[in-house]
Amino acid sequence: GQQVMQIPQYQHVQEGEDFTTYCNSSTTLSNIQWYKQRPGGHPVFLIQLVKSGEVKKQKRLTFQFGEAKKNSSLHITATQTTDVGTYFCAGPGTNAGKSTFGDGTTLTVKP
Amino acid sequence: DAGVIQSPRHEVTEMGQEVTLRCKPISGHNSLFWYRQTMMRGLELLIYFNNNVPIDDSGMPEDRFSAKMPNASFSTLKIQPSEPRDSAVYFCASSWGTDTQYFGPGTRLTVL
Repeated sequence: GQQVMQIPQYQHVQEGEDFTTYCNSSTTLSNIQWYKQRPGGHPVFLIQLVKSGEVKKQKRLTFQFGEAKKNSSLHITATQTTDVGTYFCAGPGTNAGKSTFGDGTTLTVKP
Repeated sequence: DAGVIQSPRHEVTEMGQEVTLRCKPISGHNSLFWYRQTMMRGLELLIYFNNNVPIDDSGMPEDRFSAKMPNASFSTLKIQPSEPRDSAVYFCASSWGTDTQYFGPGTRLTVL
């Protein structure tokens, strides 16, 4: 199946600083999804990107899909303590309904 | 909608015992996934079903693990016999029509 790699693995920021996590694939992705998992919680779907060069925003979160559809990024502006958690990207698998999850980026925010 | 339901939420058992985890997917979803999450290995896909049929079980660690989906509204993941290294959070997720998956709250398994 397709593999997606995420960097960095961990990110520690001061509250108010920006944060970005990157997702890369060696193959073209038909779509990419982003999930957030709060400490002690379960992954929750955030968004799906489908189009080349697509940019979507959710309040302070900005999601981008690369022109070649091989990479994606999630950027958080002015982080808050509520942003802590692990952010996963997921690409489509080779069989219907199956996604391939990256290893995630764990964000901690120091107040 | 109640979302994906998993039971039990917590399970503590002794090595060698049988453990059964249960999942009720979101009504209408036709794909169901079992994941295991640990600090060391991250989020691992164990098995997934489409229309109640196991499609890919390549992530199942070994023969001690088995999963069933007797109908569209119920699935089980069984570990027999359990070992301490099976301790993890086990998530069930379901989806329909797209790759978007909706996760249950998870079962935290501790094997002593």
